[in-house]
Amino acid sequence: KAGVTQTPRYLIKTRGQQVTLSCSPISGHRSVSWYQQTPGQGLQFLFEYFSETQRNKGNFPGRFSGRQFSNSRSEMNVSTLELGDSALYLCASSSTDGYGYTFGSGTRLTVV
Amino acid sequence: GENVEQHPSTLSVQEGDSAVIKCTYSDSASNYFPWYKQELGKRPQLIIDIRSNVGEKKDQRIAVTLNKTAKHFSLHITETQPEDSAVYFCAATDSSYKLIFGSGTRLLVRP
Repeated sequence: KAGVTQTPRYLIKTRGQQVTLSCSPISGHRSVSWYQQTPGQGLQFLFEYFSETQRNKGNFPGRFSGRQFSNSRSEMNVSTLELGDSALYLCASSSTDGYGYTFGSGTRLTVV
Repeated sequence: GENVEQHPSTLSVQEGDSAVIKCTYSDSASNYFPWYKQELGKRPQLIIDIRSNVGEKKDQRIAVTLNKTAKHFSLHITETQPEDSAVYFCAATDSSYKLIFGSGTRLLVRP
């Protein structure tokens, strides 16, 4: 079966702009989590969505937001981009019980 | 909330030796502990996981042990090979299904 698909793979944005990233989970998976990965900070939890509801939230500013659609696809949005937002953004999906998260290949965001 | 600490941050071993990576977690309600391997430029891949009702799990050359009392869990890799070189992440879920990761261990297996 198809894995977790993230688009786009690469993005270059200017400070102050906003960006939207997309994640399509494995078919049948209803939980989608988002992580920010930077060399010095590892995998930082952004938020988790389940059945179109944000079930968990990490410690990121309100500029980071997300949503989930009825087909379980999820998007995350970052507004007013800062240089420090440059990172690899990974999403991961899981079946209902929350075990066995599978990651997508990520979107590498560069803010200039 | 949950906090996961991982040690060491880097580990260098000779091919054929064993490697051990250790993690501690803070939330006693955590019940699921996966380990991920991330090769350079690739996505994290689940390599083994353990649930809180099991003390040890083995899959070929890798094993994970869990000590619920001490809130420790460890990854053991035996007979290491150069292709085991990667960054390894431990993680734990708290009672809200939020998966929290350790800071990662860069493993280098020297031929």
